Amino acid sequence: AQSVTQLGSHVSVSEGALVLLRCNYSSSVPPYLFWYVQYPNQGLQLLLKYTSAATLVKGINGFEAEFKKSETSFHLTKPSAHMSDAAEYFCAVSDHSNSGGGADGLTFGKGTHLIIQP
Amino acid sequence: DAGVTQSPTHLIKTRGQQVTLRCSPKSGHDTVSWYQQALGQGPQFIFQYYEEEERQRGNFPDRFSGHQFPNYSSELNVNALLLGDSALYLCASSFPRARVGTQYFGPGTRLLVL
Repeated sequence: AQSVTQLGSHVSVSEGALVLLRCNYSSSVPPYLFWYVQYPNQGLQLLLKYTSAATLVKGINGFEAEFKKSETSFHLTKPSAHMSDAAEYFCAVSDHSNSGGGADGLTFGKGTHLIIQP
Repeated sequence: DAGVTQSPTHLIKTRGQQVTLRCSPKSGHDTVSWYQQALGQGPQFIFQYYEEEERQRGNFPDRFSGHQFPNYSSELNVNALLLGDSALYLCASSFPRARVGTQYFGPGTRLLVL
């Protein structure tokens, strides 16, 4: 069974500071990993995904994440926070076990609420 | 190009009732997945439909069922509603046979069970 742990239900940073959101996964096979962002009263938007190619993945809005197999981690970072980054962030994993075709169902973490201080 | 659409946006039901939620996938997508997001939690995978069949299922009881139509749109049905079924229900669609394809999410249907 696969699982995702996001450390810190709330993270607060100052505008312009480094953003670091932590994600650790558990999977019996090399996983596919995703970060999604959810703004209030909206659905989820994909920030970036890791699919066993380059371990450093660049996404939208200046975010990036590094896959570290030895640490079973996939932390999300952004060098300089902007007020518009305030949102809920979800890490998700897929163990690509779906034999029925189509993209696999995702297992999500509980989310990290990012607060940006002016 | 319309994204994933869901209807209704909000719904209030009472315990024991049945509910049907609807989803239209993004243009060109043929796979639809449904997720339940309880307040303050991450989404939980309910099931996925591809080629009008349920292809993968999460840990949800049989009260949760679905259907996919020839135009790839989908319905989620929940019978015998419980208070704990109150949540945001998200639909996501993806490209044909895209094993690691991006899942595009709709805005969700917020269900309140009283």
